[in-house]
Amino acid sequence: DIQMTQSPSSLSASVGDRVTITCRASQGIRSDLGWYQQKPGKAPERLIYAASSLQSGVPSRFSGSGSGTEFTLTISSLQPEDFATFYCLQYSTYPRTFGQGTKVEIK
Amino acid sequence: QVQLVQSGAEVKEPGASVKVSCKASGYTFTDYYIHWVRQAPGQGLEWMGWINPNSGGTTYAQKFQGRVTLTRDTSISTAYVELTSLRSDDTAVYYCAGADWAGKKDFDYWGQGTLVTVSS
Repeated sequence: DIQMTQSPSSLSASVGDRVTITCRASQGIRSDLGWYQQKPGKAPERLIYAASSLQSGVPSRFSGSGSGTEFTLTISSLQPEDFATFYCLQYSTYPRTFGQGTKVEIK
Repeated sequence: QVQLVQSGAEVKEPGASVKVSCKASGYTFTDYYIHWVRQAPGQGLEWMGWINPNSGGTTYAQKFQGRVTLTRDTSISTAYVELTSLRSDDTAVYYCAGADWAGKKDFDYWGQGTLVTVSS
């Protein structure tokens, strides 16, 4: 199975900060990666697909980059509604696997 | 608007089975795979498998092989996950997602989740 390792596991940031989350795959997955945001008690919502394509309706402050084994999710200016847990998902091979999550908290 | 509405919470005893439904609306049910993902309390997301609503074809995560069955009823645009021989560590919220994960379309919608509690 492909292991997806996110870093950091958690971070504290202020409104307006630039935030970067990294996801590393244990083997190459081309650009077959998505990023999800999950708020407490809610289902995940996709932000990015194909590593760098913005899901429709998602604010442009979210962006994704990378290919192969290293990927990043960037929030250019953190907003109050962005505090949540973020997950990466690889869909290159079976089984599909998620990262362990990165919790973004208010500083 | 696209919606996936799941059945209500379940409480089951160890060794029992559970079947959760996921009713899709607002799009053509047979156009996109339905994935099932679960999340144990306070834990991360775990993919269980998918079903192609058009053909009925399935792929399961090896971890669940032999215990999970994905089915669908196209006449009512509903997908199902059945998990047998339940254990306490199957306690989780189970989500369905109608999504294009392997292609390049930005279609990705999730149900609200169904809590399955396994307890004696």
